[in-house]
This record gives sequence, structure tokens and C-alpha cells, in this order.
Amino acid sequence: SQQGEEDPQALSIQEGENATMNCSYKTSINNLQWYRQNSGRGLVHLILIRSNEREKHSGRLRVTLDTSKKSSSLLITASRAADTASYFCATDAMDSSYKLIFGSGTRLLVRP
Amino acid sequence: EAGVAQSPRYKIIEKRQSVAFWCNPISGHATLYWYQQILGQGPKLLIQFQNNGVVDDSQLPKDRFSAERLKGVDSTLKIQPAKLEDSAVYLCASSLRLAGMYNEQFFGPGTRLTVL
Repeated sequence: SQQGEEDPQALSIQEGENATMNCSYKTSINNLQWYRQNSGRGLVHLILIRSNEREKHSGRLRVTLDTSKKSSSLLITASRAADTASYFCATDAMDSSYKLIFGSGTRLLVRP
Repeated sequence: EAGVAQSPRYKIIEKRQSVAFWCNPISGHATLYWYQQILGQGPKLLIQFQNNGVVDDSQLPKDRFSAERLKGVDSTLKIQPAKLEDSAVYLCASSLRLAGMYNEQFFGPGTRLTVL
């Protein structure tokens, strides 16, 4: 079963606009990670936020985590056509395997 | 540094045939993962190895899927016999340690399997 669910399923914006994607999950976590997938570069890790962190930045990316609401958001500022991709959140299973469970993703289209 | 290598990139087979995928992780990465990604969905973990031992294979359909990681380096995933619903992209990933311990996973390009 999928732990994280992204919202919206699809998002279309103009180049230069900001894009916000949300992820909700069901059980307690150690960390939450965001990945990007496009046809050119496959699945690539973007950012990791630990359960005791509330916000993290990496370049044009900003991730927030609200453990009380079991939700996270990924903000991409000043989007570019190259940001067109599917974005997945992944949460770890709090068992001995520490395996990651991926959501179904948000498909982002950035129009030039 | 070289990334995760997978082969073949594409494979088309008929149902009930067998198929095998190969993965070579990033050098020094102890943990190796096989995922199945069906079109429009996120990756689903099939099996996770730590060195050459299985950490989790709870979602591996063991009646038809098998995987091994001999010598704790490269790995093969086999499907025998294949069903139509096995059509998907099979992704291999590796990480330095167990992913949940604040480790990112590095993914290969995947093998796109079509079962006719």
C-alpha cells in the first residue's frame, strides 16, 4: 500500500511561476524525501527532511513538514521548462527495513 | 562517479515466457533495491538487499519473481512465467546504507518490460 499521496495529481503552470505540491501520509516517519522523474534523467533524489525538521531549502526548492498533520509540501520557485517532470514523495517505514514507500506522484508541466 | 547500471533497457516478451534483468549498483553501496513502477503510479518496492542478504521481500510475488545478489554487488531479478500485469518499468536503486537512515537512493535508468 502507498503511504504518501500527492496532491494535485497534475499541475500546469507558466514558466516563471511557482509550483506547490503536497504530500500526505498515514503513519509516523523518520524522514520524508522528494524525488523527481523525467524521461531524460530517470528518478532523482531532490531533498530529504527529517521528522524533527520543519523546513528545508535547496536552491529553488523549499520543503516543509508538518508531522502533526502528517503532511509535507514541495515548492519550486521561478519554475523553468526543465522542471517539467513527475514529483514523488517517499516516506520511510518505521520498521527494521527502513524501506521507502512512494506516493503516486504529481505530474508538473511548465509551459514556456 | 558511475551511476547505477541496468540492462536491458527494453524487453518485449509473450506471457508465460521468462525474463531476467541485471543491475550493477554504485560502487561501495551496501543496499540494493528493486522496484516495479506501473504506468501512472509511483515505484513499489519488490525486494531490498543489504550486502547479499534480503532485508525485505514482503511485496515480491514469490511464486513467479526471484532475485539474488551474489557477492553483495550486482543483482538479477527474474520473472518466470510472466503475466500481462507484469508490464512495467523495473527500477534498480542503491544507497550507501539503509535508505531510512537518512540516506538518499540512487536510481538506474530502468528496464521497460512489455508482456504481450
